[in-house]
Amino acid sequence: NAGVTQTPKFQVLKTGQSMTLQCAQDMNHNSMYWYRQDPGMGLRLIYYSASEGTTDKGEVPNGYNVSRLNKREFSLRLESAAPSQTSVYFCASRVQGAWTEAFFGQGTRLTVV
Amino acid sequence: DQQVKQNSPSLSVQEGRISILNCDYTNSMFDYFLWYKKYPAEGPTFLISISSIKDKNEDGRFTVFLNKSAKHLSLHIVPSQPGDSAVYFCAAVQAGDDYKLSFGAGTTVTVRA
Repeated sequence: NAGVTQTPKFQVLKTGQSMTLQCAQDMNHNSMYWYRQDPGMGLRLIYYSASEGTTDKGEVPNGYNVSRLNKREFSLRLESAAPSQTSVYFCASRVQGAWTEAFFGQGTRLTVV
Repeated sequence: DQQVKQNSPSLSVQEGRISILNCDYTNSMFDYFLWYKKYPAEGPTFLISISSIKDKNEDGRFTVFLNKSAKHLSLHIVPSQPGDSAVYFCAAVQAGDDYKLSFGAGTTVTVRA
């Protein structure tokens, strides 16, 4: 049982380049989330998708776009990477409508130079 | 502005002793609180939670206490073990807010042998 899988695990980008972070879950969860983790800041919500076909902005959406491709997959795109987007990115999923925990992927460490 | 605060960036404790991690929040609408544990190069994993209608929840060596009037919660680990060395994140969520978890900055716990 893989849970939440993120690809790639590591990535180095040059300023201005674009890339897409992939996330897939096999737990049949409705809701999916993208967070970034920065030192001293905890995890901050970038975008989320409450259900297939819907997406909404979180706390720090600027510079990012998302696509809920189907129930399993939720991708995060950086159109023009900036050094401020150097961070560790986590995807998470959960069962909608219940007070249950979110399950996280192993993270993608992104460096923008 | 961070709504969930963990004011102690680090905690060092001897093996076998109690670890106490603290968390404060500012949003009185939060009604569900969670603790996550994170090892290096891994995603956060759920540890324990508590709803706002309770003041204590226990799971094995882990106990979470909630003081709503003080907007404060704490996590007790008794006894502390070397495998407990990790970063611990406090998180909170408001009913009807589509489970947008707000995280604290984390506390790094080191358990000394």
